[in-house]
Amino acid sequence: DQQVKQNSPSLSVQEGRISILNCDYTNSMFDYFLWYKKYPAEGPTFLISISSIKDKNEDGRFTVFLNKSAKHLSLHIVPSQPGDSAVYFCAASAGGSYNNNDMRFGAGTRLTVKP
Amino acid sequence: ETGVTQSPTHLIKTRGQQVTLRCSSQSGHNTVSWYQQALGQGPQFIFQYYREEENGRGNFPPRFSGLQFPNYSSELNVNALELDDSALYLCASSSRVGEQFFGPGTRLTVL
Repeated sequence: DQQVKQNSPSLSVQEGRISILNCDYTNSMFDYFLWYKKYPAEGPTFLISISSIKDKNEDGRFTVFLNKSAKHLSLHIVPSQPGDSAVYFCAASAGGSYNNNDMRFGAGTRLTVKP
Repeated sequence: ETGVTQSPTHLIKTRGQQVTLRCSSQSGHNTVSWYQQALGQGPQFIFQYYREEENGRGNFPPRFSGLQFPNYSSELNVNALELDDSALYLCASSSRVGEQFFGPGTRLTVL
């Protein structure tokens, strides 16, 4: 069962513009959400997270927004850079912040940032 | 500080065979999680080991089994391989709670 969904397999943006990646979830028990970035031949690397007690978390060019009523989160990258080109995975878990057990991932969105 | 390493990088097996994949966790981490990533999909949680004990399991059959050693490295064993087991297998090390650090994965092909 797909409890975490990323409905856009790919996204292409121009360098300097905003990239918005979206993620939906169905399990209301999820209370900790993360974004991972994956380059070819490497494992996913943690990018940013958000607890369900917040609706926004910022880290430099990256901001994650959480809309609990809509069971939706999004990752904004501003400004986008060519080095941001990668596959981005949304992930979720239940059981409190930083719980990494039984983490559920979306299928990923391939972001291409054009120079 | 050494990162998470996995071996082998690539592996080809035939249906019905058994395979063992290995993962060395990052220094200071006592928890290892294993994931299966099929083509075009996200990582799917197989199980997690904490201090040598299984600490959680996803929706995978018993022919997927694991071990964690006193140095917190880990093995994933898959018996009676099926064609659908072809995937990238990722391990991630972490503390009991907190950020997971992923290895580069083992690409398994079952013919």
